[in-house]
Amino acid sequence: SQTIHQWPATLVQPVGSPLSLECTVEGTSNPNLYWYRQAAGRGLQLLFYSVGIGQISSEVPQNLSASRPQDRQFILSSKKLLLSDSGFYLCAWSTRETQYFGPGTRLLVL
Amino acid sequence: GQQVMQIPQYQHVQEGEDFTTYCNSSTTLSNIQWYKQRPGGHPVFLIQLVKSGEVKKQKRLTFQFGEAKKNSSLHITATQTTDVGTYFCAESMDSSYKLIFGSGTRLLVRP
Repeated sequence: SQTIHQWPATLVQPVGSPLSLECTVEGTSNPNLYWYRQAAGRGLQLLFYSVGIGQISSEVPQNLSASRPQDRQFILSSKKLLLSDSGFYLCAWSTRETQYFGPGTRLLVL
Repeated sequence: GQQVMQIPQYQHVQEGEDFTTYCNSSTTLSNIQWYKQRPGGHPVFLIQLVKSGEVKKQKRLTFQFGEAKKNSSLHITATQTTDVGTYFCAESMDSSYKLIFGSGTRLLVRP
């Protein structure tokens, strides 16, 4: 069966520090991968998606970037965090219409 | 850009009462999916509707896709405390299958 991992589960970072969040998927090949952000009590905003290794599409201009170095690995990064980057970051995968979400990373930027 | 509006934002019901959340779009939707997110958790897929006027049921949950494919609803009969969470509708877009989410409806159930 397929599983999706995200780490860390929680993260507290100072403003201006770098960020690297990792997402890996097991049990499937060539999945589409997605990064979403959810502000507290709000909906989910699609940040990036990838349909293959090295292929990244950005949905909103922002302080973040994404990379897909391997088929089942998706990384979300920032060189310098802003206060507004705080939120719940969710990775998801799909091979068809249904998406399966990871447990998420709660990021607090102070 | 495409937007999916969802109402109400919050709903607080007594256990046993019914609950409905609505999704509306200004443009025709190719499909509609529903997800549930428990407090502190991640969204979990419930169902997908594709056909005009489609109705699907899962136990106490009834999902409907409008005839014009511009709106959808999720109805829960006789809510239970386990129904607590935020319900999102979403449209799956093009060959990337990226999801455009509605703003969600947060359901609270008084025991």
